[in-house]
Amino acid sequence: EVQLVQSGAEVKKPGESLKISCKGSGYSFTSYWIGWVRQMPGKGLEWMGIIYPGDSDTRYSPSFQGQVTISADKSISTAYLQWSSLKASDTAMYYCARPAVPYCGGDCSLVYWGQGTLVTVSS
Amino acid sequence: QSVLTQPPSASGTPGQRVTISCSGSSSNIGSNTVNWYQQLPGTAPKLLIYSNNQRPSGVPDRFSGSKSGTSASLAISGLQSEDEADYYCAAWDDSLNGHVVFGGGTKLTVL
Repeated sequence: EVQLVQSGAEVKKPGESLKISCKGSGYSFTSYWIGWVRQMPGKGLEWMGIIYPGDSDTRYSPSFQGQVTISADKSISTAYLQWSSLKASDTAMYYCARPAVPYCGGDCSLVYWGQGTLVTVSS
Repeated sequence: QSVLTQPPSASGTPGQRVTISCSGSSSNIGSNTVNWYQQLPGTAPKLLIYSNNQRPSGVPDRFSGSKSGTSASLAISGLQSEDEADYYCAAWDDSLNGHVVFGGGTKLTVL
């Protein structure tokens, strides 16, 4: 059974750094892209970017380029989303998701989702 | 402002048929397939329709999708109270590096 299990909720102060994780199991972690999706409180879904753990090829949404860092450690089947200096506006639920097919392009249907990690940034 | 445009709300009574529209452009819907996601309150999104009109295993055939040109739509027939949720369309966008774009979401209320 394919599963994506995310790290727990975080409460941080503005300016602090943070790295949240998404551990994949039940499939070949290095063979499928993994994406990250933001959902701010009461708002819609926003695509942040995607990584191919096999070679760490990473593509960012233009809106998030330079704002976050996506990485992966294939030795422990885990993808990461990282901030170097959090802002209050980073308060949101963050989901990792995996497409149905190995390659995400043309058709990137996200069939497997993590449970979400709630990040709260407040002074 | 989302790249794909959806109505913010829709409603219907039990048993009715409801449609939700999704409008895009040549770089996304016009050249790639459309997916639809259902998000129940407090839960992660769930893939509802993929490749414009395909249902994943377990999704009732009350849900159907279609695409024409740069627009797509989701239809729900035989509306049930448990269908009350947020619905999002999504597509791959070929601009820049290539990335997924979502609609702003439509909140469906079952009256």
